[in-house]
Amino acid sequence: NAGVTQTPKFQVLKTGQSMTLQCAQDMNHEYMSWYRQDPGMGLRLIHYSVGAGITDQGEVPNGYNVSRSTTEDFPLRLLSAAPSQTSVYFCASTTGRNTEAFFGQGTRLTVV
Amino acid sequence: GNSVTQMEGPVTLSEEAFLTINCTYTATGYPSLFWYVQYPGEGLQLLLKATKADDKGSNKGFEATYRKETTSFHLEKGSVQVSDSAVYFCALSQGTGGFKTIFGAGTRLFVKA
Repeated sequence: NAGVTQTPKFQVLKTGQSMTLQCAQDMNHEYMSWYRQDPGMGLRLIHYSVGAGITDQGEVPNGYNVSRSTTEDFPLRLLSAAPSQTSVYFCASTTGRNTEAFFGQGTRLTVV
Repeated sequence: GNSVTQMEGPVTLSEEAFLTINCTYTATGYPSLFWYVQYPGEGLQLLLKATKADDKGSNKGFEATYRKETTSFHLEKGSVQVSDSAVYFCALSQGTGGFKTIFGAGTRLFVKA
């Protein structure tokens, strides 16, 4: 039972590089989201999706893109990495309203 | 908008001590409330939840009661163990934004043997 799988676990980028963080879930959840975790700030929502083909912005969307071509996958793209994007990124999925979120193990990204 | 405020850490306790981590929320209507726990190097996992006023969530000796009159959802445990050392997040979700769970800043707990 894999749940939510994120890759890679660690990544170092140079300023200006682009990359894609992968997220896949095998629970057939409609809703998926990306958060970033920074010290003292909890988790902040970057983008979310309510189903295949539907995405929307969260609290801190600038510098990130998402797409949802299938129910299972929800990749997060960094267009031009900046040091301010150094963070731990979590993908989560949920079945719907007012239900618990299932998290991946996170991707620790460092931008130098 | 909706928000969650929890006590700042770190909290350092000796084994078998009583734990309270305070959490208050701001929301219209009736959100669902959650406590998540994050062990070192891992993602968040659900610890307990409550979906309506006066509900008590419980798991692994932890408890929290949904208090609408005080908009609170404090986490308690009667006797902590070293293995409880982790970061604890209070969170809420509500209505059409249910997938947009709102998290508190997290409280780091250290338990000494």
